[in-house]
Amino acid sequence: SQQGEEDPQALSIQEGENATMNCSYKTSINNLQWYRQNSGRGLVHLILIRSNEREKHSGRLRVTLDTSKKSSSLLITASRAADTASYFCATDEDGNNRLAFGKGNQVVVIP
Amino acid sequence: NAGVTQTPKFQVLKTGQSMTLQCAQDMNHNSMYWYRQDPGMGLRLIYYSASEGTTDKGEVPNGYNVSRLNKREFSLRLESAAPSQTSVYFCASSERKGGRYGYTFGSGTRLTVV
Repeated sequence: SQQGEEDPQALSIQEGENATMNCSYKTSINNLQWYRQNSGRGLVHLILIRSNEREKHSGRLRVTLDTSKKSSSLLITASRAADTASYFCATDEDGNNRLAFGKGNQVVVIP
Repeated sequence: NAGVTQTPKFQVLKTGQSMTLQCAQDMNHNSMYWYRQDPGMGLRLIYYSASEGTTDKGEVPNGYNVSRLNKREFSLRLESAAPSQTSVYFCASSERKGGRYGYTFGSGTRLTVV
């Protein structure tokens, strides 16, 4: 079964606004990752946060991880039309040999 | 460009036909994966290969077989295609088994079974 569950499922914002999406998971993890998928393309790895980290930045992306609540958030600041995509969280669960992906968040940035 | 290459990009099969989806990576990664993506279902793992010479079942292996031909190549075979296998198939690779490193994905194979 899918580990990560993103919330909200769909988000529509104006260019320049910030976009925030959340992900929850159920079991203990080694790390949590976020991926972007543009329409008709493969997934692209954005950022990885380890279980002993609370916050990580990469360019306009900010990821937080709260292991006590088993949740993560992805913030995209100053969004651009090119950020229009689906965003997936994925968890590296203890004892498994692969990532478990959530169902994805669709983000539409209106120019 | 370095990455994961999948062939074909599109395919239409008749029910009962067989086909093999090809995947190759040139990043010297040890682990490779096959996922399927369906609307509202996210990505589901079909099979994976933690290292050359090993393969294991994922979440939805029924109706599929895999071959890790060498370190670079990992193929997915549908022996007798069914309409339920209509999906987008993604191959991915990672440096080591598990999720300690990010995955690199191919661009996908869009398969329709009629």
